[in-house]
Amino acid sequence: QKEVEQNSGPLSVPEGAIASLNCTYSDRGSQSFFWYRQYSGKSPELIMFIYSNGDKEDGRFTAQLNKASQYVSLLIRDSQPSDSATYLCAVRLSREFGVAGNKLTFGGGTRVLVKP
Amino acid sequence: DGGITQSPKYLFRKEGQNVTLSCEQNLNHDAMYWYRQDPGQGLRLIYYSQIVNDFQKGDIAEGYSVSREKKESFPLTVTSAQKNPTAFYLCASGWTSGSYNEQFFGPGTRLTVL
Repeated sequence: QKEVEQNSGPLSVPEGAIASLNCTYSDRGSQSFFWYRQYSGKSPELIMFIYSNGDKEDGRFTAQLNKASQYVSLLIRDSQPSDSATYLCAVRLSREFGVAGNKLTFGGGTRVLVKP
Repeated sequence: DGGITQSPKYLFRKEGQNVTLSCEQNLNHDAMYWYRQDPGQGLRLIYYSQIVNDFQKGDIAEGYSVSREKKESFPLTVTSAQKNPTAFYLCASGWTSGSYNEQFFGPGTRLTVL
């Protein structure tokens, strides 16, 4: 079992709809969670981070964290063609606590296609 | 401009050659990281460093080497011992203190072995 798992997609979403992306993690003690967006051929760009259970909203993006069920999700409201990208989930696993370097473990990414 | 720069953007290497990828940051970040990304895959950690003159192996360090002589710079050498070096190489940096663990990425170097 991978430590951080994402459905590879593609997730096809009509323009204006909500895109819902999920990420599950195996380490129950993990506490820091990040979503990155990566356009084809480009480097990842941080779009959201969340540390506490519940929802965190930033513009059209909402991150949702459920530590009991060990998943973190990303909602993209009013999806636009410019949102078409691969979304990477990253987690700081509990085994990294107290270890120098703030290492993150990445999922394989979910490819999102927003169709006009 | 503040940020993370990587050079070159594209690099071609013949088999058996060592090549060095540059990564520089002026964000005053303590930690720097090197990742490898293969097509359709996530990121895998090669090496990381949190202070000058110190670095640790990541999950796939074999065939790679690094140095951290300056806080701003963290070059990666891909040696001839790396059996399948063709990939997209990403450098990242971030803070090590406080509550935040975000990492920020440079634009990447695409390495192709001919």
